[in-house]
Amino acid sequence: EAGVAQSPRYKIIEKRQSVAFWCNPISGHATLYWYQQILGQGPKLLIQFQNNGVVDDSQLPKDRFSAERLKGVDSTLKIQPAKLEDSAVYLCASSLDRVGYGYTFGSGTRLTVV
Amino acid sequence: AQKVTQAQTEISVVEKEDVTLDCVYETRDTTYYLFWYKQPPSGELVFLIRRNSFDEQNEISGRYSWNFQKSTSSFNFTITASQVVDSAVYFCALSEPGRGADGLTFGKGTHLIIQP
Repeated sequence: EAGVAQSPRYKIIEKRQSVAFWCNPISGHATLYWYQQILGQGPKLLIQFQNNGVVDDSQLPKDRFSAERLKGVDSTLKIQPAKLEDSAVYLCASSLDRVGYGYTFGSGTRLTVV
Repeated sequence: AQKVTQAQTEISVVEKEDVTLDCVYETRDTTYYLFWYKQPPSGELVFLIRRNSFDEQNEISGRYSWNFQKSTSSFNFTITASQVVDSAVYFCALSEPGRGADGLTFGKGTHLIIQP
């Protein structure tokens, strides 16, 4: 079974620029999550999708972050404009259902904002 | 309010010693799930265990064991006879699916260093 695919692996941008990350979950996984992991901290949930609908985006900074999951498969997370404090690893995870069945994480995208 | 507390920021032990990583959680839900993940230097999150709130039975998997105590809201993780390959950051996490969303709330992690 293929894992959760994320790209790019690394990204360096200047502050105020925009950036987008892509995630392709495990085939058949209806639930998709984006997490932000700042260096030295645990991952923080940004948004959760169930198929192509948003279940929870309470911690998503909506003034600069946006995410979509068209057709209920792959997903894109965008930051516009980026700030220095957005430097982090962005992790995508997917799950077969919504009852804590288990989560598979991708390798993440490491973003550096300079 | 912090929902998952890992008070130990860093632990360093010599190989073959036993080590326990503490996790204290906070929730008002009766149905919840607790997890432990390992994050080696390569960065990926490796799933170790999932435990639901109705199952307080302790679990052992090889050198790993977990002690779940609802009375103290703790879910501690013990590595017996530690090895250098156990060196990593370990995260405890909580899921509360009863609220309609089941994303994980992570602790800040414990950096475990196993010295040869």
